[in-house]
Amino acid sequence: LAKTTQPISMDSYEGQEVNITCSHNNIATNDYITWYQQFPSQGPRFIIQGYKTKVTNEVASLFIPADRKSSTLSLPRVSLSDTAVYYCLVGEGKGLTGGGNKLTFGTGTQLKVEL
Amino acid sequence: EAGVTQFPSHSVIEKGQTVTLRCDPISGHDNLYWYRRVMGKEIKFLLHFVKESKQDESGMPNNRFLAERTGGTYSTLKVQPAELEDSGVYFCASSPLAQSEQYFGPGTRLTVT
Repeated sequence: LAKTTQPISMDSYEGQEVNITCSHNNIATNDYITWYQQFPSQGPRFIIQGYKTKVTNEVASLFIPADRKSSTLSLPRVSLSDTAVYYCLVGEGKGLTGGGNKLTFGTGTQLKVEL
Repeated sequence: EAGVTQFPSHSVIEKGQTVTLRCDPISGHDNLYWYRRVMGKEIKFLLHFVKESKQDESGMPNNRFLAERTGGTYSTLKVQPAELEDSGVYFCASSPLAQSEQYFGPGTRLTVT
């Protein structure tokens, strides 16, 4: 499984755009990049998943360069409620194995949003 | 639709005792996973069920841990006998077949004293 490296913490203010970059230099051809969010006393929650280029949903955007050795999670106009730990995970996605897949979590990035 | 639920939310037991954690996945989800975070470390995979069958139990730390999913619905994770190093938060997650997005429960915080 590809190892990921992301900043331990980031600080931001309400209304700003936050970009969290994750490095995954040994990503494999069939690996997807997935981001989860975790609030205190809750389980992780899926945010977004992508394979290449750009993916956007109602919550975030995921930018993946052509070499796929890194990815950037972009949160537009953050609010206090976006304060959480954000995990970047790399592994088989889309249920390619047909039976699901175990997730490998790193240390994550603690995002703190202030007024 | 109800999400993944776990019971109890918090358990405090003494070393050597037995504890059973329960997870009710989202209805219809054949994949069920157990994870745990101990001592402030990273969340680690324990095992994966597909329906009632154990697909991958490579993360189970030792034979003091026993997971079951009879009937392919809810799952239990028994720790017997519990040791101090078992303290942590145990998460359960579920997903439909052929889908990688996993839905996590709130976790059970286990404290072994």
